[in-house]
Amino acid sequence: SAVISQKPSRDICQRGTSLTIQCQVDSQVTMMFWYRQQPGQSLTLIATANQGSEATYESGFVIDKFPISRPNLTFSTLTVSNMSPEDSSIYLCSVGTGNHGYTFGSGTRLTVV
Amino acid sequence: SQKIEQNSEALNIQEGKTATLTCNYTNYSPAYLQWYRQDPGRGPVFLLLIRENEKEKRKERLKVTFDTTLKQSLFHITASQPADSATYLCALAAMGTGRRALTFGSGTRLQVQP
Repeated sequence: SAVISQKPSRDICQRGTSLTIQCQVDSQVTMMFWYRQQPGQSLTLIATANQGSEATYESGFVIDKFPISRPNLTFSTLTVSNMSPEDSSIYLCSVGTGNHGYTFGSGTRLTVV
Repeated sequence: SQKIEQNSEALNIQEGKTATLTCNYTNYSPAYLQWYRQDPGRGPVFLLLIRENEKEKRKERLKVTFDTTLKQSLFHITASQPADSATYLCALAAMGTGRRALTFGSGTRLQVQP
């Protein structure tokens, strides 16, 4: 299965600033997925990132707030823009082919102060 | 609306016993259901996948059942150990929608007492 390197692992940011999270996969994958996990909650899908096209965002998530880049088949970034304390969460990237298990990055724990 | 429910927020059992976790879903036609383990501060780790045409799947001390009539999956850990203590998540990917992303249940936090 794929191995994902996600960074940073954690950060403390000032409100109003932006943070870019990176995920590097050790193999080429068509789709990469970005999730948010708020404290004590389960994972919620933010968007699906396809190489060469715009990301597809889930209801409640917009591109201006969570812009995503997917420059090639092994790399993606998620930016959390104009942060507020409500954005404090763990952000995770994931890859998978559908009928096999999905692999997750180790997560980015974001605290906005 | 589509829902995935894991009935128990937390489950405490004694070492050596069998842990049974439940996952129920509504308004889905899942092609397969998956179970993940998540330790604090870590991303979920894939454990088992069961397809809609399978009734049961086993892997070492783990067993998963899938009843598409009841819309329910059961996840069993036999001969449980303190190292099995973690949060367990069930997840679904719907069939025929073109979506490949998973939708997760809220998770069950398992604590195995020595």
